[in-house]
Amino acid sequence: DAGVTQSPTHLIKTRGQQVTLRCSPKSGHDTVSWYQQALGQGPQFIFQYYEEEERQRGNFPDRFSGHQFPNYSSELNVNALLLGDSALYLCASSSPPRAGYEQYFGPGTRLTVT
Amino acid sequence: RKEVEQDPGPFNVPEGATVAFNCTYSNSASQSFFWYRQDCRKEPKLLMSVYSSGNEDGRFTAQLNRASQYISLLIRDSKLSDSATYLCVVNTGNFNKFYFGSGTKLNVKP
Repeated sequence: DAGVTQSPTHLIKTRGQQVTLRCSPKSGHDTVSWYQQALGQGPQFIFQYYEEEERQRGNFPDRFSGHQFPNYSSELNVNALLLGDSALYLCASSSPPRAGYEQYFGPGTRLTVT
Repeated sequence: RKEVEQDPGPFNVPEGATVAFNCTYSNSASQSFFWYRQDCRKEPKLLMSVYSSGNEDGRFTAQLNRASQYISLLIRDSKLSDSATYLCVVNTGNFNKFYFGSGTKLNVKP
């Protein structure tokens, strides 16, 4: 049973550039959430996708956008990168999208913005 | 005010010790609660859910106090392999919107 997978594992970008991160959920899961984890902090919720729609969003600017595909995989896009966007980006999947269900995390993509 | 607050630690304990972590949450409408474990530079992994009646899994015991809005995790007979950061997680309701604490770091020493 494949767990949550993410790509790439590491990425280095320059300020002002755009980046796309990818996530495939755990088998049987249809809901994907994205988190940003800065060094020494807990993960911060960015947004959640279910049925190809953004269902919930945290306190992140519009530079952060996403997409979910019919096979439940998801992408996170960040435009106009800032130095402060350097972090570990985590994808988590769950099913069904109701309160109380555990989330399972992928290994993350470590983004460095220079 | 943060949704979830934890003592960052670190907690430095010898092998075999009992250690307890607490976590407070601000939203009284929160519906479900979890403890995750995160090893250095790895993803968080679910340790256990926290139920209203309290629950135990081997050396780990989780408690929920809704009236005081706090969650606790007790680890008995600490092992070196328990060294990690423990994240308190609260789900406030619809659609699995999770709030994480900043984590409590545990170092178990020989």
